Amino acid sequence: EPEVTQTPSHQVTQMGQEVILRCVPISNHLYFYWYRQILGQKVEFLVSFYNNEISEKSEIFDDQFSVERPDGSNFTLKIRSTKLEDSAMYFCASRGQGVADTQYFGPGTRLTVL
Amino acid sequence: AQSVTQLGSHVSVSEGALVLLRCNYSSSVPPYLFWYVQYPNQGLQLLLKYTTGATLVKGINGFEAEFKKSETSFHLTKPSAHMSDAAEYFCAVSDWGLTGGGNKLTFGTGTQLKVEL
Repeated sequence: EPEVTQTPSHQVTQMGQEVILRCVPISNHLYFYWYRQILGQKVEFLVSFYNNEISEKSEIFDDQFSVERPDGSNFTLKIRSTKLEDSAMYFCASRGQGVADTQYFGPGTRLTVL
Repeated sequence: AQSVTQLGSHVSVSEGALVLLRCNYSSSVPPYLFWYVQYPNQGLQLLLKYTTGATLVKGINGFEAEFKKSETSFHLTKPSAHMSDAAEYFCAVSDWGLTGGGNKLTFGTGTQLKVEL
């Protein structure tokens, strides 16, 4: 069964460093998302991406964040200068073209900023 | 804006007992509703979803949920709990019907289900 994959599973970085979180969505999916879950809190939407551009972003997704689909298979989330409060689990999701299609989530990347 | 409220951050049931996890939503458009389950150190797995049609939706692992528009609810049930059901459960609503909505999901705060012998 196709699945969304994410690498790395755990990333530890120093405050102020740049990190790139990688996702491989399901191959025939067209819509891509990043969500995050701070420990003990709910899952929050960050950004959605369609047709090689951002379709929607949340207030959390400020200038420090960017997304890219560099090669037609990977979907990346970059944080330019990490802050302590960026520590969270980051989930990638993808869905097909139908408006009722399910979003399938990857296993997540746990980002720890020291 | 859409929102989801899950009553009870922790629910404990005995093995074999009924599981009832509550979810109420707020949406200005007909909602698409979802239940996801998260096992420890894993991602979110879809249990079931409601989009249109039959209001009683059956999902995986014996779970089902009923969409009640008059009560703005989408409670999750399972007749008989199993130890393997212990996990965190998230209710979510999609913004598919909103202008500019990209089908992003708004999640509730989650309910941790504990199953005891």
